[in-house]
Amino acid sequence: ELKVEQNPLFLSMQEGKNYTIYCNYSTTSDRLYWYRQDPGKSLESLFVLLSNGAVKQEGRLMASLDTKARLSTLHITAAVHDLSATYFCAVDRGSTLGRLYFGRGTQLTVWP
Amino acid sequence: DGGITQSPKYLFRKEGQNVTLSCEQNLNHDAMYWYRQDPGQGLRLIYYSQIVNDFQKGDIAEGYSVSREKKESFPLTVTSAQKNPTAFYLCASSIPNRGLGEQYFGPGTRLTVT
Repeated sequence: ELKVEQNPLFLSMQEGKNYTIYCNYSTTSDRLYWYRQDPGKSLESLFVLLSNGAVKQEGRLMASLDTKARLSTLHITAAVHDLSATYFCAVDRGSTLGRLYFGRGTQLTVWP
Repeated sequence: DGGITQSPKYLFRKEGQNVTLSCEQNLNHDAMYWYRQDPGQGLRLIYYSQIVNDFQKGDIAEGYSVSREKKESFPLTVTSAQKNPTAFYLCASSIPNRGLGEQYFGPGTRLTVT
């Protein structure tokens, strides 16, 4: 079974600082997704990474994918309070079934 | 507007009662999914369905049942056999193997069983 590990699980950072969240997965995968969840809310899609070397950026967030290392990173640049949320990575194993395997999530808190 | 709706948002039940959670989508997506979320545990897949009248068990299907009689609808029944049903339930849909393949999530139903 495909395992997805995120670290750290909890991240507390000061506004203006940079940090990276890591997502490792255990078997070959075609696609990787990053989602954001605000407290008590549903999941919102952030990035879809479809190939080795893919890099996507939106505002202060940048996601990348290294399929050879089975690693994706979500880099936060100059954090602001509005980025406080839980971030999930999810992996598609490439079967026809379309199911995703989720990491446990990284709970990010940005403080002044 | 296209999207996924789940109802109700909050649901309270007594132990021993079955309860059905609604999930409807108008995105014309083929596949639908049910997840359970507990604090600190991420999302765990309960059931999923690729086409009408067909569905597969996920990782934690025991104590749950589903049906897929229409493409737009994928209701989840939490039965009295589910040992610890209190959780946040999320429904999602996608078009696997076409486009980006990402899953779109509904707003969720928070179930409390006492």
